[in-house]
Amino acid sequence: LAKTTQPISMDSYEGQEVNITCSHNNIATNDYITWYQQFPSQGPRFIIQGYKTKVTNEVASLFIPADRKSSTLSLPRVSLSDTAVYYCLVTRNQGGKLIFGQGTELSVKP
Amino acid sequence: EAGVTQFPSHSVIEKGQTVTLRCDPISGHDNLYWYRRVMGKEIKFLLHFVKESKQDESGMPNNRFLAERTGGTYSTLKVQPAELEDSAMYFCASSLPAGINTGELFFGEGSRLTVL
Repeated sequence: LAKTTQPISMDSYEGQEVNITCSHNNIATNDYITWYQQFPSQGPRFIIQGYKTKVTNEVASLFIPADRKSSTLSLPRVSLSDTAVYYCLVTRNQGGKLIFGQGTELSVKP
Repeated sequence: EAGVTQFPSHSVIEKGQTVTLRCDPISGHDNLYWYRRVMGKEIKFLLHFVKESKQDESGMPNNRFLAERTGGTYSTLKVQPAELEDSAMYFCASSLPAGINTGELFFGEGSRLTVL
């Protein structure tokens, strides 16, 4: 599976839009891009998954350019409760085991 | 509907002792995964069950770790004998069967293992 690279940490303020970009240069044709969120002392939680272009759900949007070598998770109007670690993962054929990187530690300040 | 449940939430044992962690997946989820996170390190894959069969156990660190899923329902992960470096948070996750799998893994809250 393709290795992912994302910023180690990001800071934001309440009400701002946060964009976390992830690179996955060696993504394969059958691979999907999936994002998980993890709060301290909890298991990771699925946020969103996409293959190309744009995917939106009630929590976030995922933007994937045509070459699929990167993706951007967009969190609209973050709140303090969005402080967490966000993981970008490449998954084979939409499912299967997950290979976690170090993730991006997002800190939302008042 | 109940999510993935893990027991115990925290276990403290001495080096050389045995510990068994249990995971109850969401009902109907054929896929069951074990992961662990050593403090300060990344979450690492341990193994994957499809029903009662081990699909992929490439992440199991050594033969002190034994995972079972008899009957394809709950799973246990036994560490025997435990070593100091086994201290970690152990996560279990489950997902729907192939064919209707949306790609989402549902994680439990984890079992924290501390080996003294």
